[in-house]
Amino acid sequence: EVHLVESGGGLVQPGGSLRLSCAASGFIFSEYSMNWVRQAPGKGLEWISYSRTSPSVVSYADSVKGRFTISRDNAKNSLSLQMNSLRAEDTAVYYCVRDHIYTFDFWGQGIVVTVSS
Amino acid sequence: QSAVTQPPSASGSPGQSVTISCTGASSDLGGFNHVSWYQYHPGKAPRLIIYEVSERPSGVPDRFSGSKSGNTASLTVSGLQAEDEAEYYCASYVEIYKWVFGGGTKLTVL
Repeated sequence: EVHLVESGGGLVQPGGSLRLSCAASGFIFSEYSMNWVRQAPGKGLEWISYSRTSPSVVSYADSVKGRFTISRDNAKNSLSLQMNSLRAEDTAVYYCVRDHIYTFDFWGQGIVVTVSS
Repeated sequence: QSAVTQPPSASGSPGQSVTISCTGASSDLGGFNHVSWYQYHPGKAPRLIIYEVSERPSGVPDRFSGSKSGNTASLTVSGLQAEDEAEYYCASYVEIYKWVFGGGTKLTVL
């Protein structure tokens, strides 16, 4: 059974940094692309970042480009999101999501990130 | 960046059918068949219910169906049940390794 478990969320001040992690199990992690998707309070889902099976192929939404960095460790079945220069509008539930044929087929339970002074 | 729009709300009575639209442009949703739909109950993880416009993952009831015409994709829920009350989001692959979600539609079962 596929399991994606996010960790590392919490409260951070504007301008600060936070690193999210996602532990994957139940599938061959190195064979799947992965994504981060977020949902701000009262708002809809927003795709923010993608990592192909090869760690060097990544992409970002304009809203986070230059501030967030996605990475993966296929040996440890782990996905990460380094978030720098955080803003109030980055406050959201962040989901680790598996990609299969251009589709988000399995989602973690999500982790809360709050950016506030 | 691309924008994909959904109606904010939809409703229907038990047993009825309801259709939710997802409208983009020829450069994004209209140019790809990589459209998917997700059911979201607050406090739970979103659940994939339709992928590649009209394909259903195993375990998803055949009451859920998807289609696309031009720049608009649609999700139809037939034989509405109380547990179908949720938020529904479409997502479209819009350029290399980038996706956009619609704004979401809250479905109410009357």
